[in-house]
Amino acid sequence: IAGITQAPTSQILAAGRRMTLRCTQDMRHNAMYWYRQDLGLGLRLIHYSNTAGTTGKGEVPDGYSVSRANTDDFPLTLASAVPSQTSVYFCASSAQQGSEAFFGQGTRLTVV
Amino acid sequence: GIQVEQSPPDLILQEGANSTLRCNFSDSVNNLQWFHQNPWGQLINLFYIPSGTKQNGRLSATTVATERYSLLYISSSQTTDSGVYFCASTGANNLFFGTGTRLTVIP
Repeated sequence: IAGITQAPTSQILAAGRRMTLRCTQDMRHNAMYWYRQDLGLGLRLIHYSNTAGTTGKGEVPDGYSVSRANTDDFPLTLASAVPSQTSVYFCASSAQQGSEAFFGQGTRLTVV
Repeated sequence: GIQVEQSPPDLILQEGANSTLRCNFSDSVNNLQWFHQNPWGQLINLFYIPSGTKQNGRLSATTVATERYSLLYISSSQTTDSGVYFCASTGANNLFFGTGTRLTVIP
């Protein structure tokens, strides 16, 4: 089934460790996004990429980095995890910036 | 960025009842989406509706872009409709989400 796949589904991580959340889409969408969802705050954009080879910062980029080496993959890296990064992370994609967005199933990350 | 306000924040319905959820946004937008986040956390696309009215089964949505609001109608609600409903509007490189309406449908 075409769509967006995130991995892992959930993870418990020790503070200070490095972690990469994976996101792959098979819809050949140009734009991809990473959001975090926290209780009471809705979804907030971390980083985005409008096309392969380009990335940009969203509302809450500190502590996170991304890369977009090809169209399909958009990994999110936490270089040194902190407890405030405990959240549910969603990857999304759209054919182009501003068109209908589709979301992955999410990654629940707990930093202890 | 664009401010998105949703109302009501919480809604409890008896199965079979109808409801209207509202989304107000602070600036003109090129598009608007409605999502349902089910109890398992999945975000399900309901409507992509920059303007006008769309219907899908028991759900329909209307966006009046000139007045900066969108409405989601749920008719004959079912327990499987429970969850959080989000609207989101597109700004520069971002979907701006409201904080959602939590719907609970009781049998």
